[in-house]
Amino acid sequence: GQQVMQIPQYQHVQEGEDFTTYCNSSTTLSNIQWYKQRPGGHPVFLIQLVKSGEVKKQKRLTFQFGEAKKNSSLHITATQTTDVGTYFCAGRTSGSRLTFGEGTQLTVNP
Amino acid sequence: GAGVSQSPRYKVTKRGQDVALRCDPISGHVSLYWYRQALGQGPEFLTYFNYEAQQDKSGLPNDRFSAERPEGSISTLTIQRTEQRDSAMYRCASSFSPYRGSNYGYTFGSGTRLTVV
Repeated sequence: GQQVMQIPQYQHVQEGEDFTTYCNSSTTLSNIQWYKQRPGGHPVFLIQLVKSGEVKKQKRLTFQFGEAKKNSSLHITATQTTDVGTYFCAGRTSGSRLTFGEGTQLTVNP
Repeated sequence: GAGVSQSPRYKVTKRGQDVALRCDPISGHVSLYWYRQALGQGPEFLTYFNYEAQQDKSGLPNDRFSAERPEGSISTLTIQRTEQRDSAMYRCASSFSPYRGSNYGYTFGSGTRLTVV
């Protein structure tokens, strides 16, 4: 079945440093979504990417969808303590089932 | 309501008992999803509904698990004869549109933490 893999599993950064998490799918995706889960919270929808090679920005966050629609990345510029949490990618092939990756847990040292 | 509501927040049950977990989605949301999330892992798909119709139940681990959404709103996930391996956070999510090309993400509830002792 479809698998979505994320690396790294953990990332520790100093406040102000950049952060990137990568997502790879075993199959071509129709779209990919990104979620953020704060410690003790639930996943919160950030963005959806649909087109091959698409790049979207939300303030300090930049999301990319690969040309082959099998990989994606999330880059945070100049991290802040409010960025702490686990970032999940979730890919969709056919139908409406969304398959989540294992997430990248980000900690930010002030 | 303002968000996706799940009840109970916590459930401790003895092995072999049946449990029913409830999800009240955002009013007007067509699609409802059930996921299970183990600590430190991503949500694992269980099943989903468009309106009252169950579209995909291939993620349900075995026949002890079932779900329904009889009126296209509130949904119940039932686990019969619970086992310790069923212990996890069970999350419900809803979205406005069932179409995979739509730009609507999922809104998750706070989940039900199930512990089977």
